[in-house]
Amino acid sequence: EVQLLESGGGFVQPGGSLRLSCAASGFTFSSYAINWVRQAPTKGLEWVSGIGGGGGSAFYADSVKGRFTISRDDSSNTLYLQMNSLRAEDTALYYCARSRSVIYFYGMDVWGQGTTVTVSS
Amino acid sequence: QSALTQPASVSESPGQSITISCTGTSSDVGYYNLVSWYQHHPGKAPKLMIYEDIKRPSGVSNRFSGSKSGNAASLTISGLQPEDEAHYYCCSYASGGTLIFGGGTKLTVL
Repeated sequence: EVQLLESGGGFVQPGGSLRLSCAASGFTFSSYAINWVRQAPTKGLEWVSGIGGGGGSAFYADSVKGRFTISRDDSSNTLYLQMNSLRAEDTALYYCARSRSVIYFYGMDVWGQGTTVTVSS
Repeated sequence: QSALTQPASVSESPGQSITISCTGTSSDVGYYNLVSWYQHHPGKAPKLMIYEDIKRPSGVSNRFSGSKSGNAASLTISGLQPEDEAHYYCCSYASGGTLIFGGGTKLTVL
């Protein structure tokens, strides 16, 4: 079964850091781009970052550029999101979502259940 | 990049059809054939319904269709069923390498 499972969310103070993980199974991980998408409480979906398959490049939303870093380990089928300098507005449910191809913007056809990040003092 | 514009809510009766609009600019929706649509039930993962403006993934009902004209994309759902009640989001690739979502539309099937 094709599956994505996020972990690493939690409670952190403003200015702190967290690293999210997304474990993939059931498909050839390296052949697909993967994205992070978040949903703040009572808000809509927001794309955060994407990374291409097969050693592709990383792209970021302006709201997280310079603070978040996306990376992948194809040997362990795992996607990461290193989040630094966290702000209250980063509080959200974070989903990882597989693109339909090695390029990240061709539609996201497999989603995890999400991991919750809360930034508060 | 600003969010794509969607109506906050729409409603229709079972068996009827409804169209949800998604308006962008010539730098996103109007330039690239890369609009996708997602169905999101509360507490569940979003589901891809349409990609590349008009294509439907296997397993998605043919009651769902996508179209585009200029800077505006649309999702049409025909033969509305109670289980179609959900939030719907459009998403487009934008110049600069980002993906932009719409604000979401809550569909109520009366």
